[in-house]
Amino acid sequence: QQQVKQSPQSLIVQKGGISIINCAYENTAFDYSPWYQQFPGKGPALLIAIRPDVSEKKEGRFTISFNKSAKQFSLHIMDSQPGDSATYFCAASISWTGTASKLTFGTGTRLQVTL
Amino acid sequence: NAGVTQTPKFRVLKTGQSMTLLCAQDMNHEYMYWYRQDPGMGLRLIHYSVGEGTTAKGEVPDGYNVSRLKKQNFLLGLESAAPSQTSVYFCASSYFERGSGELFFGEGSRLTVL
Repeated sequence: QQQVKQSPQSLIVQKGGISIINCAYENTAFDYSPWYQQFPGKGPALLIAIRPDVSEKKEGRFTISFNKSAKQFSLHIMDSQPGDSATYFCAASISWTGTASKLTFGTGTRLQVTL
Repeated sequence: NAGVTQTPKFRVLKTGQSMTLLCAQDMNHEYMYWYRQDPGMGLRLIHYSVGEGTTAKGEVPDGYNVSRLKKQNFLLGLESAAPSQTSVYFCASSYFERGSGELFFGEGSRLTVL
């Protein structure tokens, strides 16, 4: 499977700040990216996903953007809150209609939001 | 609904021992998966199943076997455990060929091989 490089590995943000997580991919055919949020001791859960027909998707304080020319997906968390402290995984696949077996996950970003 | 349930949650094995991790889902999903999660490595797919009675290899299948005798259950077996298999294992399920690709994960099974 093609690589997905996620950065940073860890991130500390003050409450109210903006958290930014980037994922760069190699396969130019990638065009779908779900992002998962994982709290300690729990399994990952889908946070937000972007499909090939849009370049940006916003859900509340969470926005993901897709820059196909730069081969990069990004997650922005606005007005970060201590409850956002978790590990975030990006993933990418070639087709949004494909099965999850075709997903390639990033290595994860551990976000800590301080008071 | 319980969603995806994994048992056991914790297990310690000695090298060479065997064990089976059990995964059950009550969402009537066709697809089921086993992942392992290691620090700095993200989630890596071990094996998956596209339906009852079928299994397929993922990214890191060596040393593991799986079975899907019933639609709701997916078993992951280690025949001869090795320290390199120390990890947190996650089972997940998803709809068949639905566009979202959303995975529903269990809470994980932490395995330590001494």
